[in-house]
Amino acid sequence: LAKTTQPISMDSYEGQEVNITCSHNNIATNDYITWYQQFPSQGPRFIIQGYKTKVTNEVASLFIPADRKSSTLSLPRVSLSDTAVYYCLVGDILTGGGNKLTFGTGTQLKVEL
Amino acid sequence: IAGITQAPTSQILAAGRRMTLRCTQDMRHNAMYWYRQDLGLGLRLIHYSNTAGTTGKGEVPDGYSVSRANTDDFPLTLASAVPSQTSVYFCASSASSVPADTQYFGPGTRLTVL
Repeated sequence: LAKTTQPISMDSYEGQEVNITCSHNNIATNDYITWYQQFPSQGPRFIIQGYKTKVTNEVASLFIPADRKSSTLSLPRVSLSDTAVYYCLVGDILTGGGNKLTFGTGTQLKVEL
Repeated sequence: IAGITQAPTSQILAAGRRMTLRCTQDMRHNAMYWYRQDLGLGLRLIHYSNTAGTTGKGEVPDGYSVSRANTDDFPLTLASAVPSQTSVYFCASSASSVPADTQYFGPGTRLTVL
C-alpha cells in the first residue's frame, strides 16, 4: 500500500490560494491520486483525481510532478466554506480489493476572514 | 436520488447491548465499506464488501460484524457494545472495488456507548 504524508493542519484567509502537498514516495505504476473533502458532521466527498501532470475541475486543481512522488491540491481563492479536512489517497486503478485504500487523518484547513 | 442512507442518525447505547447500524445505497454499487471516525485518528476501515455475498476485514474489525445479503444493504452489527466503540460511523460505496474508484459516503451515525 502506498503511504501518504500530508500536513496535519493549515490556516488561510479568504481570497487566498491554498496549496496542500501530499507525499507518496512509494506510489506504484497503477496508482491514481485522489483527494476527498470532509465538512464537519458530514461524510467525505470526492473532489479531484489524477494520474500525472495537471487536472482541473470547478472545485480545485491537482498538480502531479513527473516522478509522481508527491501531489499538490490547489484551492483558488478560498472562502470560509472551504474550511474542511482534506484527504490525499493513493489507490490502484486495476486491482480490486476494498481494504487497499487508507484515508488517514487528512489536513485540517481553516479559513478565516 | 438518495445515494446512501444510514440509520439511525445518532444513538446512545448501554454497554453490553447489541446494535445494528443500517446502510442502504440505491446506486447499484458493487463495493461497500464501513468506517469509524475518531478525533485525531481519522477514518479507519472496519469492514468492506467487494460485491454482494462477500465481506472482508479492514483495519479495525474486532467487535464488529457485517453481512451483504444483497447489493443495496450493508448492515454493521456490534454484538456487545463497549465504550471504546463510541464513534461516528460512516458507510460508503463505490461502483467497483478498485481502490481508485470514487467512494460515496453516507451522512454518518453518531454512536455513544455508556
